[in-house]
Amino acid sequence: AQTVTQSQPEMSVQEAETVTLSCTYDTSESDYYLFWYKQPPSRQMILVIRQEAYKQQNATENRFSVNFQKAAKSFSLKISDSQLGDAAMYFCAYRNHPNAGGTSYGKLTFGQGTILTVHP
Amino acid sequence: DAGITQSPRHKVTETGTPVTLRCHQTENHRYMYWYRQDPGHGLRLIHYSYGVKDTDKGEVSDGYSVSRSKTEDFLLTLESATSSQTSVYFCAIKHRVSTEAFFGQGTRLTVV
Repeated sequence: AQTVTQSQPEMSVQEAETVTLSCTYDTSESDYYLFWYKQPPSRQMILVIRQEAYKQQNATENRFSVNFQKAAKSFSLKISDSQLGDAAMYFCAYRNHPNAGGTSYGKLTFGQGTILTVHP
Repeated sequence: DAGITQSPRHKVTETGTPVTLRCHQTENHRYMYWYRQDPGHGLRLIHYSYGVKDTDKGEVSDGYSVSRSKTEDFLLTLESATSSQTSVYFCAIKHRVSTEAFFGQGTRLTVV
């Protein structure tokens, strides 16, 4: 079974600064997807960024980028130019590739979450 | 939001009573999921469905049952609620085109 670990329960950053959230995972699969989700106080789950394991290039979405280290099974999220609206709980998540087969395709395994506080 | 609606949004119930949570989707997605969110655990999969009347257990399925008699509705039932089932429950779908997961707004359930 896959596991996802977020070792930072809480992080804080000053507005306009950069912060990195850590995530490690364990899997025996070679093809899979990794995600970062944002959960603001509204409780809505919002997809921030997605990485496909077979792609060596790190994914970026505007101020959000990842450092994907496949051999080390590490998947960190960097938020640049932090804004007050970035304050939220962030979850790292893993999903099998369709080639893994079975009906469980699509289910997500989540880390414990990291609460990010942004100070003005 | 991929047309996902959860009901109710909030519920307080007594220990030992049955509770049913509903997830409704309007876009004909095949895969649907129920997760629970608890502090220190993130979201954990309870049950999932890969088609009408096709369901399977997740990692925390004890004390829960599900039913999917039509594509648009996925019901989660707590047969006899316990205080350990106090949690926030999320329904999700795997989008049939993008394959991304989309979540409902969540249901906060309190068992007293």
